Amino acid sequence: KAGVTQTPRYLIKTRGQQVTLSCSPISGHRSVSWYQQTPGQGLQFLFEYFSETQRNKGNFPGRFSGRQFSNSRSEMNVSTLELGDSALYLCASSRDSVGLKTGELFFGEGSRLTVL
Amino acid sequence: AQSVTQLGSHVSVSEGALVLLRCNYSSSVPPYLFWYVQYPNQGLQLLLKYTSAATLVKGINGFEAEFKKSETSFHLTKPSAHMSDAAEYFCAVSGGSGGSNYKLTFGKGTLLTVNP
Repeated sequence: KAGVTQTPRYLIKTRGQQVTLSCSPISGHRSVSWYQQTPGQGLQFLFEYFSETQRNKGNFPGRFSGRQFSNSRSEMNVSTLELGDSALYLCASSRDSVGLKTGELFFGEGSRLTVL
Repeated sequence: AQSVTQLGSHVSVSEGALVLLRCNYSSSVPPYLFWYVQYPNQGLQLLLKYTSAATLVKGINGFEAEFKKSETSFHLTKPSAHMSDAAEYFCAVSGGSGGSNYKLTFGKGTLLTVNP
């Protein structure tokens, strides 16, 4: 069965632009969570969606937003990009609402964003 | 709030040698603890997890970890390193206020290098 698919895999933007990243979870998975990975800060939790509702979010500014569609696909958006937003953005899916408790997450390969 | 600390951002071992990656956690409640592995240009994969059952947890690829409450540790070991073990390893803890409000907090990661 297909894994978690993230698009695009690589992208370059300039400061002030906005970006939208997409995540298609494993078929049947209803929870999608997003993470930012940087060399300095490591992996940081952005937010989690379950059945189109944001259930939890990390400590990121309002420039970071997301949504989930009825087919469980999720998008995250970053507006007014800053140099510090350069990172690998990972999404993970889980079957049910306790994936973030049990750690049964399936990660995509990530979208690598470079902000110039 | 939960947190994890990984001691050593880079560990280098010879092929066939013992692998020991250290993780200490902080949690106000009995934790769920995890080790994930990330190979180059890939997402994270769950290696093993502790969920308050057996304190010695066995995972994939010959890895295991022991939960020691008295030391607040969850170190990852493998008796004999293989070249294919070269990757970055993340310790993580799950925390939340109950119900479905959970999120994963990751350590900064340990890069494992295996020398021939």
